[in-house]
Amino acid sequence: QQQVKQSPQSLIVQKGGISIINCAYENTAFDYFPWYQQFPGKGPALLIAIRPDVSEKKEGRFTISFNKSAKQFSLHIMDSQPGDSATYFCAASKSTNAGKSTFGDGTTLTVKP
Amino acid sequence: DAGVTQSPTHLIKTRGQHVTLRCSPISGHKSVSWYQQVLGQGPQFIFQYYEKEERGRGNFPDRFSARQFPNYSSELNVNALLLGDSALYLCASSLGLLTDTQYFGPGTRLTVL
Repeated sequence: QQQVKQSPQSLIVQKGGISIINCAYENTAFDYFPWYQQFPGKGPALLIAIRPDVSEKKEGRFTISFNKSAKQFSLHIMDSQPGDSATYFCAASKSTNAGKSTFGDGTTLTVKP
Repeated sequence: DAGVTQSPTHLIKTRGQHVTLRCSPISGHKSVSWYQQVLGQGPQFIFQYYEKEERGRGNFPDRFSARQFPNYSSELNVNALLLGDSALYLCASSLGLLTDTQYFGPGTRLTVL
């Protein structure tokens, strides 16, 4: 059972553009929603995370928007750069234990120069 | 500081064989989780260990087992390998059980022929 659905599967953006990746979750017990960035041959690295008590969190060029009623959250990458080209995963877990996270299937982002 | 380390980096086995994968968590981290990442999909939770005890198990057959040692390092064992076990096996560590952040290692790429 897919508890976290991620879209799109792949995304191509021009340098300087905005990249938007969306996720939807089913389990209302989830209260911690991180985004991970993964480069080929590497493990996922935590990028930014949000809890449902806020609707938006921004760190540099990366912003998470969260809609609790719709059970959706999204990652916005502003001023996208070629170095941002990677696979991005959303995840969900209980904040008391991120060690049992449920992941989306990933979005491969390509930023063209 | 060293991050999460995993060994070996790559492994090739044949069907029916057994494999042992190893993980050393970040110094001070007591919780270790294992994930399986099949090509083109997000990581899937296999096990979580904390203080040498299993604290969670994902939807994987009994051919998969793991353990954690007194120094908090961990082993993942897979018996009677199947072609479908070919994947990147990721280890993640976190400070404790009640924590919202986990850090991933680079993974072990297992190929079953």
